[in-house]
Amino acid sequence: GESVGLHLPTLSVQEGDNSIINCAYSNSASDYFIWYKQESGKGPQFIIDIRSNMDKRQGQRVTVLLNKTVKHLSLQIAATQPGDSAVYFCADKYSGYSTLTFGKGTMLLVSP
Amino acid sequence: DAGVIQSPRHEVTEMGQEVTLRCKPISGHNSLFWYRQTMMRGLELLIYFNNNVPIDDSGMPEDRFSAKMPNASFSTLKIQPSEPRDSAVYFCAVSPDSPLGYTFGSGTRLTVV
Repeated sequence: GESVGLHLPTLSVQEGDNSIINCAYSNSASDYFIWYKQESGKGPQFIIDIRSNMDKRQGQRVTVLLNKTVKHLSLQIAATQPGDSAVYFCADKYSGYSTLTFGKGTMLLVSP
Repeated sequence: DAGVIQSPRHEVTEMGQEVTLRCKPISGHNSLFWYRQTMMRGLELLIYFNNNVPIDDSGMPEDRFSAKMPNASFSTLKIQPSEPRDSAVYFCAVSPDSPLGYTFGSGTRLTVV
């Protein structure tokens, strides 16, 4: 993940809209990427992952897109619901190292 | 987060006191990680263990911080003496021996006054 500054970026959407959360990573050797969701008072929870040999992966209402050329990762949430309100983190790692590097996160606020 | 149990959930202590944070991970993992989360710095890796052995502690801020993993079912993170700038949420996470995501505990919110 890459620093996005001291203040957490916030995305505000209406219930039912599609949400897109973006992330830039800095290590061109990274070959594994994950999106986490963190609700207030809880630890981060795994949402979806993608390996560097793919550029798109779909889950239930979520899609992750990977653009290795510009080192960019995005998370798309379809038909966003109030329960999706949380902070979303991207994380990356490369095979030669066991730990994930986390971005600063984006706060998603969903209005009913 | 039932797979990783952290205690206490909240800790308020006075500057200079010793603080011990505890983590009881699920079985079947090979790696255990301690992270610190603050608004200013986000999630920072402090230390990680593989098969109970500390592998990388370069993220430990100072000698005031120490971590142990005496067995596969228990780990501690100790701060002695604690300082107000140590106030943060501390997470323990585990990972199986494969490039999968981590399972995080619910964290310990530490406030040093």
